Amino acid sequence: KNEVEQSPQNLTAQEGEFITINCSYSVGISALHWLQQHPGGGIVSLFMLSSGKKKHGRLIATINIQEKHSSLHITASHPRDSAVYICAVGGADGLTFGKGTHLIIQP
Amino acid sequence: GAGVSQSPSNKVTEKGKDVELRCDPISGHTALYWYRQRLGQGLEFLIYFQGNSAPDKSGLPSDRFSAERTGESVSTLTIQRTQQEDSAVYLCASSGNVGTDNGYTFGSGTRLTVV
Repeated sequence: KNEVEQSPQNLTAQEGEFITINCSYSVGISALHWLQQHPGGGIVSLFMLSSGKKKHGRLIATINIQEKHSSLHITASHPRDSAVYICAVGGADGLTFGKGTHLIIQP
Repeated sequence: GAGVSQSPSNKVTEKGKDVELRCDPISGHTALYWYRQRLGQGLEFLIYFQGNSAPDKSGLPSDRFSAERTGESVSTLTIQRTQQEDSAVYLCASSGNVGTDNGYTFGSGTRLTVV
């Protein structure tokens, strides 16, 4: 069973700061996902990665397969980025989730 | 439809009653997953359907839980003789064919409260 560790568990930052959330996993995977969960509970899939780097707007996700590590970066953070960010690993047979990083961006 | 649809959005039930939760995946998505999230905890895998293959039930917490899916369409998750510990948000997700670059699309969830 894959173990997925995220850090930090909680992060409070000021608007405009560069944010990094880290994810490590124990077993080789086919894909890694970054998910965003808002206070209402809805979950949005941000990225699916199997190698390299992806960028969408102010969000950047990277993965190092050899080191079994991924990072999610948010540039020019904004209060609307406040959410729980969840790393999940796995493939077509389902996901194993990290416990999430609770991010608060203060104005 | 445009997204994954779950119903009901909220369900309050008495301990011991059976409940049925419904998920309509994105049309054409062959894979469908059920997860749950109990208050203050992370997401847990429950069950996975892929096309017409036998479902992966390895995450179901007890034999009170069962799920069905008809072809590549609607799925229902049934919880029999509900217990208070079953209170959680039950999330459904679907994804496209294995090997495509499709990520997961999650539904909005069903918030189940067992009183």
